[in-house]
Amino acid sequence: ETGVTQTPRHLVMGMTNKKSLKCEQHLGHNAMYWYKQSAKKPLELMFVYSLEERVENNSVPSRFSPECPNSSHLFLHLHTLQPEDSALYLCASRLGGGTEAFFGQGTRLTVV
Amino acid sequence: AQSVAQPEDQVNVAEGNPLTVKCTYSVSGNPYLFWYVQYPNRGLQFLLKYITGDNLVKGSYGFEAEFNKSQTSFHLKKPSALVSDSALYFCAVRAHTDKLIFGTGTRLQVFP
Repeated sequence: ETGVTQTPRHLVMGMTNKKSLKCEQHLGHNAMYWYKQSAKKPLELMFVYSLEERVENNSVPSRFSPECPNSSHLFLHLHTLQPEDSALYLCASRLGGGTEAFFGQGTRLTVV
Repeated sequence: AQSVAQPEDQVNVAEGNPLTVKCTYSVSGNPYLFWYVQYPNRGLQFLLKYITGDNLVKGSYGFEAEFNKSQTSFHLKKPSALVSDSALYFCAVRAHTDKLIFGTGTRLQVFP
């Protein structure tokens, strides 16, 4: 248990659906991350939020929309996804400086 | 731009033998370097980090890593491998911003 909780753990969605992934941490961290992990590109950085402000958007398609309403919560809103978006989506948080990141267990997303 | 390279997709080692998992980095300025381990269907777990100071850092589960500035390397080592060490290992680098970049991962297989 790392203190970073992701829900749901598994998600199957059709290409026309809209769903959201949730990440929550109560570790007092001020930076939060979304990563995509797939066989083709392990651990691809998607978004970085620092102090609730998005500081990195790594050329991610607009069908992925992040939201960070406060320092403890991070969402990834999904709409009109493609089958190639099927992957493990990992959330992480860290305090900043030289501290390590803590990862959630991930959401296994399957787009059908 | 910062980047991390893990040149080996897989490392095979017999139980009881020493193991090395290689990592090289490219970053301007002083790097913060990290090693993580991932077991099947799990998020990443922090092993160890180098921020400053002694070039040899010790971490969890008997792992250690040596920072070599001239070779821009941060190889992960363990004197005596266990079958339970079999997992996916990721090296990561952070510099200047909150952007945390991971290598492509190395699968370690320890045989009995």
